Amino acid sequence: AQSVAQPEDQVNVAEGNPLTVKCTYSVSGNPYLFWYVQYPNRGLQFLLKYITGDNLVKGSYGFEAEFNKSQTSFHLKKPSALVSDSALYFCAVRDGTNFGNEKLTFGTGTRLTIIP
Amino acid sequence: NAGVTQTPKFQVLKTGQSMTLQCAQDMNHEYMSWYRQDPGMGLRLIHYSVGAGITDQGEVPNGYNVSRSTTEDFPLRLLSAAPSQTSVYFCASSYSWRITDTQYFGPGTRLTVL
Repeated sequence: AQSVAQPEDQVNVAEGNPLTVKCTYSVSGNPYLFWYVQYPNRGLQFLLKYITGDNLVKGSYGFEAEFNKSQTSFHLKKPSALVSDSALYFCAVRDGTNFGNEKLTFGTGTRLTIIP
Repeated sequence: NAGVTQTPKFQVLKTGQSMTLQCAQDMNHEYMSWYRQDPGMGLRLIHYSVGAGITDQGEVPNGYNVSRSTTEDFPLRLLSAAPSQTSVYFCASSYSWRITDTQYFGPGTRLTVL
């Protein structure tokens, strides 16, 4: 079975400071990892994904994420937070071993608030 | 491209009523899916389809039906609405069922069952 955990329901960061949104995962095979962002009253928007290769993945809006296999983590980061980054962030995982697996499992979400 | 569209945006039903949530995409995507979003529970997969004529169950399929007669459309039917089905529903699509493909989400339908 595949699962993903976002240990923080809420993260507050001052504008201009670096931000980190945490995600850990569990799969039996190779993890394929995704980050999505949801702005108020909107659908989810894709930010970035890790499939294979470089452990540091760069995505939209200046976000990046670091894949750490030993810690089974895929934390989302940004060097300097903007007020417009305030939103709900979801981590998601698919198990790459099972090629019949068409399901994406989401975490419960982390609400990021950037304080001016 | 309109992307993934969903109708209606909002809906209020009484217990026992039936309705269909519409989802369409104009990107010629093979894979389409339905999720529900509930506070503190993230998104949970209801049903999905890897192509026209093929559907399968996700994590929480009870009380919902789907069909996929065309590539573009993937409606979700509530047969007899219950208060437990009050939620925000998202439709998503991706180019194929390959697990590396990115899913694109619609704007959602907010459903309240009284």
